[in-house]
Amino acid sequence: ETGVTQSPTHLIKTRGQQVTLRCSSQSGHNTVSWYQQALGQGPQFIFQYYREEENGRGNFPPRFSGLQFPNYSSELNVNALELDDSALYLCASSFPAGQGRRETQYFGPGTRLLVL
Amino acid sequence: KQEVTQIPAALSVPEGENLVLNCSFTDSAIYNLQWFRQDPGKGLTSLLLIQSSQREQTSGRLNASLDKSSGRSTLYIAASQPGDSATYLCAGRSGGSYIPTFGRGTSLIVHP
Repeated sequence: ETGVTQSPTHLIKTRGQQVTLRCSSQSGHNTVSWYQQALGQGPQFIFQYYREEENGRGNFPPRFSGLQFPNYSSELNVNALELDDSALYLCASSFPAGQGRRETQYFGPGTRLLVL
Repeated sequence: KQEVTQIPAALSVPEGENLVLNCSFTDSAIYNLQWFRQDPGKGLTSLLLIQSSQREQTSGRLNASLDKSSGRSTLYIAASQPGDSATYLCAGRSGGSYIPTFGRGTSLIVHP
């Protein structure tokens, strides 16, 4: 059973640029969630995908968008980067709600994004 | 809207102590609550998941409880070890929206 992987591990961008982060789910999981974690804070929920459809969204602007592919891997895209977008971006895979302990979220190691 | 608070923000204890980390939440219609461990600069490792119908879960030296009426969850760590040093986060998932809300974490240092 493979764990959740994310790429790249680190990334430096400048204001106004666009970025794409990638996540591969743990084997068998069909739900993926993305989080933003600023330094010293808890993760903030961005959105969740289930069977290639967005299935819940936190308080993030539309320039944060995502995709989920048929193999359940996922992308997070951020357009028009701002300095405050600098953070650790985490993805987590799981089974969807209603499945008891199978809803446990398993996190990847994260992508650290620095916007200059 | 679910809000989650963790107290204390930081804790330093000698090796061998039993300790309790606290997590408070505002929405008693909580669907589940999950405890995580995060090492510096790393992702989160799931420790325990408690469903709303359960009162506690145990794994090894860890025990997590859930009291919906008081809006509290506790993580009990028995016989702490230096390897337990990390930030511990709780996340409550509200019924209906299923959106998880994280606390800011408790930074734990266990010194030899």
